[in-house]
Amino acid sequence: ETGVTQSPTHLIKTRGQQVTLRCSSQSGHNTVSWYQQALGQGPQFIFQYYREEENGRGNFPPRFSGLQFPNYSSELNVNALELDDSALYLCASSSPTGEEKLFFGSGTQLSVL
Amino acid sequence: KQEVTQIPAALSVPEGENLVLNCSFTDSAIYNLQWFRQDPGKGLTSLLLIQSSQREQTSGRLNASLDKSSGRSTLYIAASQPGDSATYLCALPVGGGGTSYGKLTFGQGTILTVHP
Repeated sequence: ETGVTQSPTHLIKTRGQQVTLRCSSQSGHNTVSWYQQALGQGPQFIFQYYREEENGRGNFPPRFSGLQFPNYSSELNVNALELDDSALYLCASSSPTGEEKLFFGSGTQLSVL
Repeated sequence: KQEVTQIPAALSVPEGENLVLNCSFTDSAIYNLQWFRQDPGKGLTSLLLIQSSQREQTSGRLNASLDKSSGRSTLYIAASQPGDSATYLCALPVGGGGTSYGKLTFGQGTILTVHP
């Protein structure tokens, strides 16, 4: 158990809809990173939030957006869903001190039909 | 742009074998390298983290080495067990040279199956 929880675990949406995924970080971790993992691929970095501000972004379009709250939990929002958005979405928490290990949640499996 | 490649894509071995998983990367100006394990449909578990100043790290039956000059890392698993069956991924900081604090570039992984 990493202490990082994600909800929901599974989600089915149709093309064009919007979705919100949620992540609670491990206690004491003020940094949350989001990743998209397509089937058979390694995770791809979407963006990171640190102290409620976006702190780096990967090669994802603006319809992928996020929030971080004062308790360091985070949301990932995806607008205008496309079929290729079907993937496992992972969040990971970390603390910008110490040895830089990431602690991952179990992910949200999103299917876009 | 850092690119990470893992070989082989899949590996099936009998229980008890020693095995090596390979990871190569294009930008050798790295800060650290991590190896992760992922069980089907699950999140990732950090196994080992090697700082750029180190050549290897060990945890139980796992040993990871790092050769920055050649752009390679290996994960050695001794005396493999069926419970080791999972996907193994290596990852490096996005942008290479600086500390990432959670921004990683991953390889595509090696799917390991250890059969009794």
